[in-house]
Amino acid sequence: QSVLTQPPSVSGAPGQRVTISCTGSSSNIGTSNGVNWYQHLPGTAPKLIIYGNSNRPSGVPDRISGSKSGTSASLAITGLQTEDEADYYCQAYDSTLFWVFGGGTKVTVL
Amino acid sequence: QVQLQESGPGLVKPSGTLSLTCAVSGGSISTNDWWSWVRQSPGKGLEWIGEVYQSGNTNYNPSLKSRLTISIDKSKNQFSLNLKSVTAADTAVYYCARGEQQVVGGAFDTWGQGTMVTVSS
Repeated sequence: QSVLTQPPSVSGAPGQRVTISCTGSSSNIGTSNGVNWYQHLPGTAPKLIIYGNSNRPSGVPDRISGSKSGTSASLAITGLQTEDEADYYCQAYDSTLFWVFGGGTKVTVL
Repeated sequence: QVQLQESGPGLVKPSGTLSLTCAVSGGSISTNDWWSWVRQSPGKGLEWIGEVYQSGNTNYNPSLKSRLTISIDKSKNQFSLNLKSVTAADTAVYYCARGEQQVVGGAFDTWGQGTMVTVSS
């Protein structure tokens, strides 16, 4: 049972928009600390795609966006492409547990 | 550009100690960043294990704290993980990662490729 709750899977057709939710609590997402998101393809290292709730590292396309409200955060991918098929994890800093990850969401492109 | 590379035995016996090292290249480990270990057990999600700072200060996942030691060797530009009394539940791909402070506010911007460790007799 992960401290941060994500849906196990989401899917969409190419070109569509998908969103992934990440629900936490007042001790992690609900603090002033930011939420980070990672993309993970099997057999590769996770890749940081959003930091500080909504900031994209260099090289991450602007069709990927993040937001936070209260004790929840969301990742949105617009213009879905086959290359977006991967597992996505949210991450936050918890006041007692230090770093925590969500359980992960598998994105499938139909 | 900083790169990380994990190394260590791929097979550890039950009740033994899992020891891994992460070599940092392309930059110094003596920065304002924290250096973490993360693992992924088969079929499961990412689990943060713990982190170390250049001063030697550490933070550990409470669920692993009693078995865990993370240390840093600035002379060799590397940091290490020791997890004792391992069981099959510790079988996982182990990643080292940098928690970069200045640009991404502590998020893990650089990762090693990961190393598979199996606990089995």
